Amino acid sequence: SAVISQKPSRDICQRGTSLTIQCQVDSQVTMMFWYRQQPGQSLTLIATANQGSEATYESGFVIDKFPISRPNLTFSTLTVSNMSPEDSSIYLCSDTDRGRSYGYTFGSGTRLTVV
Amino acid sequence: LAKTTQPISMDSYEGQEVNITCSHNNIATNDYITWYQQFPSQGPRFIIQGYKTKVTNEVASLFIPADRKSSTLSLPRVSLSDTAVYYCLVGDGDNDMRFGAGTRLTVKP
Repeated sequence: SAVISQKPSRDICQRGTSLTIQCQVDSQVTMMFWYRQQPGQSLTLIATANQGSEATYESGFVIDKFPISRPNLTFSTLTVSNMSPEDSSIYLCSDTDRGRSYGYTFGSGTRLTVV
Repeated sequence: LAKTTQPISMDSYEGQEVNITCSHNNIATNDYITWYQQFPSQGPRFIIQGYKTKVTNEVASLFIPADRKSSTLSLPRVSLSDTAVYYCLVGDGDNDMRFGAGTRLTVKP
């Protein structure tokens, strides 16, 4: 299965600032997904990112707050903009390749704390 | 997209077989069933995927009845290291797969 390198692994940020999270996949993948996970909770899908098109956002998530880039088939970024303490969470990226039938591969996550 | 329902938590003891059942009454024809395992501070890890009947790999078995409205993940002879959250997802892979609440499995010595 693919390997996803996600960074940073953790960060502490001041409110009002922005943080960009990067995910690098070791092979070309069609779709990448971004999730948020509150401590002790399940994963919530933020958006789906396809190369060459605008990301598709889930209800409750907007592009101005969580802009996503997908410049090629191996890389994606998620920016958490104008952060507040409510944005403190774990953010994860994942990919899928139906041809492999191995489900999704996830990055190790970014633990964000906003103070 | 099919919604899944799993038990919130389960307890077991080392060496026992653990079966976690997931309900997905609205599963679509093109949907696969995929199970993930997540340890604290890590991303979910793929365990097994199936479409119907039975699938087995080196870590688990997945049983899917003919109507596909449920599935059961079977973990043989669990150990303490199997303590984790287990998620059942249903989807066709072309669309996002939404996570349910998951099942928190605790294996005791």
